[in-house]
Amino acid sequence: DQQVKQNSPSLSVQEGRISILNCDYTNSMFDYFLWYKKYPAEGPTFLISISSIKDKNEDGRFTVFLNKSAKHLSLHIVPSQPGDSAVYFCAARTAGKSTFGDGTTLTVKP
Amino acid sequence: NAGVTQTPKFRVLKTGQSMTLLCAQDMNHEYMYWYRQDPGMGLRLIHYSVGEGTTAKGEVPDGYNVSRLKKQNFLLGLESAAPSQTSVYFCASSYVRGRENEQFFGPGTRLTVL
Repeated sequence: DQQVKQNSPSLSVQEGRISILNCDYTNSMFDYFLWYKKYPAEGPTFLISISSIKDKNEDGRFTVFLNKSAKHLSLHIVPSQPGDSAVYFCAARTAGKSTFGDGTTLTVKP
Repeated sequence: NAGVTQTPKFRVLKTGQSMTLLCAQDMNHEYMYWYRQDPGMGLRLIHYSVGEGTTAKGEVPDGYNVSRLKKQNFLLGLESAAPSQTSVYFCASSYVRGRENEQFFGPGTRLTVL
């Protein structure tokens, strides 16, 4: 049973528009949610996170929203840029360990 | 700072051979992790360590062993490699409590078992 799900394997948006990546989870014990970005042939790098006691966290062009009642979080990128094209992983943390979703490949077209 | 480094970057093994993957971090992190990533899938936790001399099983530990004799190093061993262990392996490290509790990842080791 997959505890963290990213139901969209891919997303394509036009440069300058908003990108919305979604993530659902099942374990109510998760206390932190993180987004990582991964380019080909590189390791993932941390992007932004949110505590389970908050519903929004913003960092520049990136905003993460958390809806605990729906066990759903989303990452908004505004405006999207071609350099944002990468695989985005949602991760949920509890007891020092993180569980990752399968990733969403974002393509931003110039 | 080099961050998290992994050795080797690529390796091809025959079924039944053994090997050790080395992970090193220079950030004085307490926690270290080994993940594998298969095509179209996320990272799955193999083993992790919460401090020097301690290890624990993750989601997919079978066929792997680990050791953390020094705080900065975390070794992943395959005693008898199988084709199902063909994957990209990522090491990561983190503070116990830190900014957003983020993990820092190495560049990965691409392993092929024939």
